[in-house]
Amino acid sequence: QLQLQESGPGLVKPSETLSLTCTVSGDSISSGGYYWAWIRQPPGKGLEWIGSIFSTGSTYYNSSLKSRVTISVDTSKNQFSLKLSSVSAADTSVYYCARHIWAGGSYFDFWGQGTLVTVSS
Amino acid sequence: EIVLTQSPGTLSLSPGERATLSCRASQSVSSIYLAWYQQKPGQAPRLLIYGASSRASGIPERFSGSESGTDFTLTISRLEPEDFAVYYCQQYGSSLITFGQGTRLEIK
Repeated sequence: QLQLQESGPGLVKPSETLSLTCTVSGDSISSGGYYWAWIRQPPGKGLEWIGSIFSTGSTYYNSSLKSRVTISVDTSKNQFSLKLSSVSAADTSVYYCARHIWAGGSYFDFWGQGTLVTVSS
Repeated sequence: EIVLTQSPGTLSLSPGERATLSCRASQSVSSIYLAWYQQKPGQAPRLLIYGASSRASGIPERFSGSESGTDFTLTISRLEPEDFAVYYCQQYGSSLITFGQGTRLEIK
């Protein structure tokens, strides 16, 4: 069974860079032609797609965040990562990683449990 | 940007009743790019429906999806106690993936 697990600091200072890693187990991140995504959810609010990456490194970002987001993949570690720069309190959210089916449709079929990142000094 | 508007915001029903949740797109959305998720408190969303009407693996038959133009519907035929949660629709179009704001399904 595919499993995803987010890891990284739970507290980030304003103006700094948020960094998270998603470790994939149960399958190779390079197999199957899947994309891998980051999605966030502010406390008590809805879901926002941040961006997705293919195993080859091709990336697609939400245009509203594109100037601050970098998603990368490390196939040797079966991980992909998120960096969000110049954070503010508005970036406080639960951050999820997910497998992204993007062929013949576009949807997220496996999710990590999520990790809360708070932006505060 | 394609905006998805879900209605109602909150739906109060009893176990055994039928639930009908709506998701309206601001522009045309190909049905293959419309999905529904269920989210319970403290949990990640769970994929229910993809391609507007295909059930994801392990999803009970009481969950079904349909479309009519820019209107998409999630129907739960007979509510079970575990179905009370928040439901989100999601679409891909114009190089952007967006979610609706959610419908909270609560026990009456």
